[in-house]
Amino acid sequence: EVQLVESGGDLIQPGGSLRLSCAASGFSMNTNYMSWVRQAPGKGLEYVSAIYGDGTTRYIDSVKGRFTISRDISKNTVYLQMNSLRAEDTAVYYCARGMRTSNAPLDYWGQGTLVTVSS
Amino acid sequence: DIVMTQSPDSLAVSLGERATINCRSSQSVLYSSNNKNNLAWYQQKPGQPPKLLIYWASTRESGVPDRFSGSGSGTDFTLTISSLQAEDVAVYYCQHYASSPYTFGQGTRLEIK
Repeated sequence: EVQLVESGGDLIQPGGSLRLSCAASGFSMNTNYMSWVRQAPGKGLEYVSAIYGDGTTRYIDSVKGRFTISRDISKNTVYLQMNSLRAEDTAVYYCARGMRTSNAPLDYWGQGTLVTVSS
Repeated sequence: DIVMTQSPDSLAVSLGERATINCRSSQSVLYSSNNKNNLAWYQQKPGQPPKLLIYWASTRESGVPDRFSGSGSGTDFTLTISSLQAEDVAVYYCQHYASSPYTFGQGTRLEIK
């Protein structure tokens, strides 16, 4: 059974850093791309970042240079390092699995972890 | 980046009636190598993560009731619920996965009339 469990969300001051983790089970990360999707309170879904089967990474413009996605295949875990956090980064962050190594829908999602950026 | 636009933003339909949600992409999401449309639909209920309903524009995910169907090609797509049930109350999102970033539509809130 595929499971994704996020952790690391917290209340953090503007300008601070946080690292989110997503522990996966039931599949191997080198056969699927992994993505972080966020949802601000009362808002829609926003695709934030992805790491593809070949290790290539992508980001939306608003987080480029501040966020870094990485993975440890031996631990089957994907990370999102978030630096220089802003109030507008406040959201529930979901980890999700792509159905294959790229160009595929997100077929499994974690329950999400809440990041609140506030002084 | 490809922009996804859904219509309407909200929709109220009577139980047992048909619900139709539209999604338009700013450029074609048809994948030339396999002639498939890189378009998915998700359902999100309050307090839950999104759930994949439809992919490749018209392929139903395993376990999804057959009252849910997807259609369309190129830039215009539709999610149809043939006979609305109470448990279908949710926000529905389309998403393309043609080229990064795989952006979502703004969502359509579906309620019971």
